Amino acid sequence: DTEVTQTPKHLVMGMTNKKSLKCEQHMGHRAMYWYKQKAKKPPELMFVYSYEKLSINESVPSRFSPECPNSSLLNLHLHALQPEDSALYLCASSQGGGLGDTQYFGPGTRLTVL
Amino acid sequence: GQQLNQSPQSMFIQEGEDVSMNCTSSSIFNTWLWYKQEPGEGPVLLIALYKAGELTSNGRLTAQFGITRKDSFLNISASIPSDVGIYFCAGPNQAGTALIFGKGTTLSVSS
Repeated sequence: DTEVTQTPKHLVMGMTNKKSLKCEQHMGHRAMYWYKQKAKKPPELMFVYSYEKLSINESVPSRFSPECPNSSLLNLHLHALQPEDSALYLCASSQGGGLGDTQYFGPGTRLTVL
Repeated sequence: GQQLNQSPQSMFIQEGEDVSMNCTSSSIFNTWLWYKQEPGEGPVLLIALYKAGELTSNGRLTAQFGITRKDSFLNISASIPSDVGIYFCAGPNQAGTALIFGKGTTLSVSS
């Protein structure tokens, strides 16, 4: 089983709202990732958690706040977003703690910021 | 920095035709990954390649890890309408700190 699940599937929020995206995997993977993807573009890395610790933050604005409550869960808290933040947000996981490992993606959350 | 040059950018083919796409780089990669993404969905891993010269098949899909470790190709035989999507190649950068993606090949199949 190589399943990564994400909720919600779609999210519409105003610029003053606070919302959270959730990701879950039960493959025993020790690294989890958040990516942002614009239409017809490749995914762009935002954050990496390795063994439940934040290991990489790709200079992401503070209005995006990641959280890894345990080895199976990854959250992305959103606050005061801008319309240009509208995108597909993808979660991924890999077996080891390194980015060189094969990554498995979830179905994504389609976010629209009004 | 390291880049993956993926071609062609798009392909329009008839059902039943074979398809070939490739990724090249000026840098060496130790792993090549091929993903397919359908509209509104996340990328799905098709094939992972870990050794130079490796040739791996997954149903009608075949991918090879170039012997120079600077390129990889993906072939799809006897295409069907459900092959439609964007195909991305990817590989880890040399520092192992990021997964680099090609810009994708958009495949359209007409029946």
